[in-house]
Amino acid sequence: NAGVTQTPKFRVLKTGQSMTLLCAQDMNHEYMYWYRQDPGMGLRLIHYSVGEGTTAKGEVPDGYNVSRLKKQNFLLGLESAAPSQTSVYFCASSIRTSPRDTQYFGPGTRLTVL
Amino acid sequence: GESVGLHLPTLSVQEGDNSIINCAYSNSASDYFIWYKQESGKGPQFIIDIRSNMDKRQGQRVTVLLNKTVKHLSLQIAATQPGDSAVYFCAGPQVRGSGGGADGLTFGKGTHLIIQP
Repeated sequence: NAGVTQTPKFRVLKTGQSMTLLCAQDMNHEYMYWYRQDPGMGLRLIHYSVGEGTTAKGEVPDGYNVSRLKKQNFLLGLESAAPSQTSVYFCASSIRTSPRDTQYFGPGTRLTVL
Repeated sequence: GESVGLHLPTLSVQEGDNSIINCAYSNSASDYFIWYKQESGKGPQFIIDIRSNMDKRQGQRVTVLLNKTVKHLSLQIAATQPGDSAVYFCAGPQVRGSGGGADGLTFGKGTHLIIQP
């Protein structure tokens, strides 16, 4: 099992450019999450999905869109990148959405917006 | 909603000593807490969890203590080793209705544990 994988690992964008981050999990988990992590901050939830074809907003959803067309994949899109979106992005998955279900994290994507 | 926070951004300990990392939370109704370890360049990794009906839970070299009276929990690492060097996060349930109604986790800001030889 690869667990949770993320692509790309690093990316540099110019303001206004768009990109998509891909998260894949091979654990057959129902729930998937996208977090961002900024220096000196904990992880903040951007969007999450409770199953294929469903998505919902988290704590900081503005400027991001997501899609869950396949159960194993969760995509995070930036339509018009801004410097404030410079961050490390982590994807996670869990069997269910209850906090009692352990979330497994990917290795992260470091994004810089110039 | 819930908020969790760590007391110290950095903790330096001697190799072989015990480490204690503290965390406070705000919502007395929170019933579950998790500790994650994040090594440099990696994603957070689950260490141990505790439910609110427990005061203490032990794992391999780690112990989590929960004091519901003062809304405080701590992570104790016995005989700290170089491999324990990481940022440690406590996390609690995000209450539905705050932050967009997510059923996810609220993370503290993390404590960087530094091991001195």
